[in-house]
Amino acid sequence: DIQMTQSPSAMSASVGDRVTITCRASQGMNNFLAWFQQKPGKVPKRLIYAASSLQSGVPSRFSGSGSGTEFTLTISSLQPEDFATYYCLQHNSYPLTFGGGTKVEIK
Amino acid sequence: EVQLVESGGGLVQPGGSLRLSCAASGFTFSDHYMDWVRQAPGKGLEWVGRIRNKPHSYTTEYAASVKGRFTISRDDSKNSLYLQMNSLKTEDSAVYYCARSAPGDCAGYWGQGTLVTVSS
Repeated sequence: DIQMTQSPSAMSASVGDRVTITCRASQGMNNFLAWFQQKPGKVPKRLIYAASSLQSGVPSRFSGSGSGTEFTLTISSLQPEDFATYYCLQHNSYPLTFGGGTKVEIK
Repeated sequence: EVQLVESGGGLVQPGGSLRLSCAASGFTFSDHYMDWVRQAPGKGLEWVGRIRNKPHSYTTEYAASVKGRFTISRDDSKNSLYLQMNSLKTEDSAVYYCARSAPGDCAGYWGQGTLVTVSS
């Protein structure tokens, strides 16, 4: 099984900050990596697919990068509506596995 | 517009069974793989399982935590996905989501979820 270690688990940031969230895979994988945003009481929403492709309708301040065992989600300038929990998901091999989540809170 | 609507959640006793459904519309259901994902209260996301489409023989994959107890099926004529859950445990309590996938593409669209509570 591929374990996805996501860091940090929580963070405080201010509007306008650059935010970086990392997922490390326990073994090398292809770019079958997606990022999701979830707000309290809401359904998860996919932001990034194939490690770096922006989902249609998602603001360009979100970007994904990485390969092999390390993948990154970057928010270039945090906006008020971006305070949420973020998850990575590997679908390179079964079982599919999510990272533990990163809660981004207001500083 | 892609729509996925789950139903069938509720309260069930430990050891009991429940069948969830997911009604799909707005896309060619038979073309897609479908996933079930769950989220226990206050916890993170957990992939439950997947069913592939007809060209891939409707084969299934499951998380270890549910293998042998849960069964995923689909009826392409009804644009519907199912999750049969048997021998339920308290730790199966969660919101269950269905999600649309495809080879190389995962969980691009989600339903609103249905809550399953396993308690005596």
